[in-house]
Amino acid sequence: ETGVTQTPRHLVMGMTNKKSLKCEQHLGHNAMYWYKQSAKKPLELMFVYSLEERVENNSVPSRFSPECPNSSHLFLHLHTLQPEDSALYLCASSQEVPGARGTGELFFGEGSRLTVL
Amino acid sequence: ILNVEQSPQSLHVQEGDSTNFTCSFPSSNFYALHWYRWETAKSPEALFVMTLNGDEKKKGRISATLNTKEGYSYLYIKGSQPEDSATYLCASCTSGTYKYIFGTGTRLKVLA
Repeated sequence: ETGVTQTPRHLVMGMTNKKSLKCEQHLGHNAMYWYKQSAKKPLELMFVYSLEERVENNSVPSRFSPECPNSSHLFLHLHTLQPEDSALYLCASSQEVPGARGTGELFFGEGSRLTVL
Repeated sequence: ILNVEQSPQSLHVQEGDSTNFTCSFPSSNFYALHWYRWETAKSPEALFVMTLNGDEKKKGRISATLNTKEGYSYLYIKGSQPEDSATYLCASCTSGTYKYIFGTGTRLKVLA
């Protein structure tokens, strides 16, 4: 069983659809993250959760709505997306957020490739 | 430097060559620097976590150095092998934030 699992791996949706991306970590970590990877751009941090509390919202449009029901699960709810939102969405976890005794590495899932038509 | 910058963007080397990449990051309020390897169709995997000025880390043929005062880190690969082909990412974290900010990466292709 891999450490961080993301589903679905691929998603195609229309601009009026509502869909969700799911991330699950089996590492006992307290921090979880959503990153966006667009072509030719660096990994872009979207959200950070520490012990189910959102601690960072990196100026992300409201059409992206995160949810962290417990420290093992993280969702990204998608609604009324635009074609420019097409990207690879990566989930990651770490033992702690930076500063909370945490400098440890991020453990990533394999990503969800999203295409918005 | 306000962002994390990596150079070169891409690199082709012959098997057996040694190579190195650069990561530049904001030096003020430095907290930690990470190096990751990202192979195609896989997830990024951590290579090194570095926190102290002058840190040197090594894992097999790969090593890294850190200069927090001037805001740069080098990644070295000795005797490159085809399986080293990947994108190498660095990520910097500043004190008082929860953000690991990534560079655009260096894409390495090792030719057999």
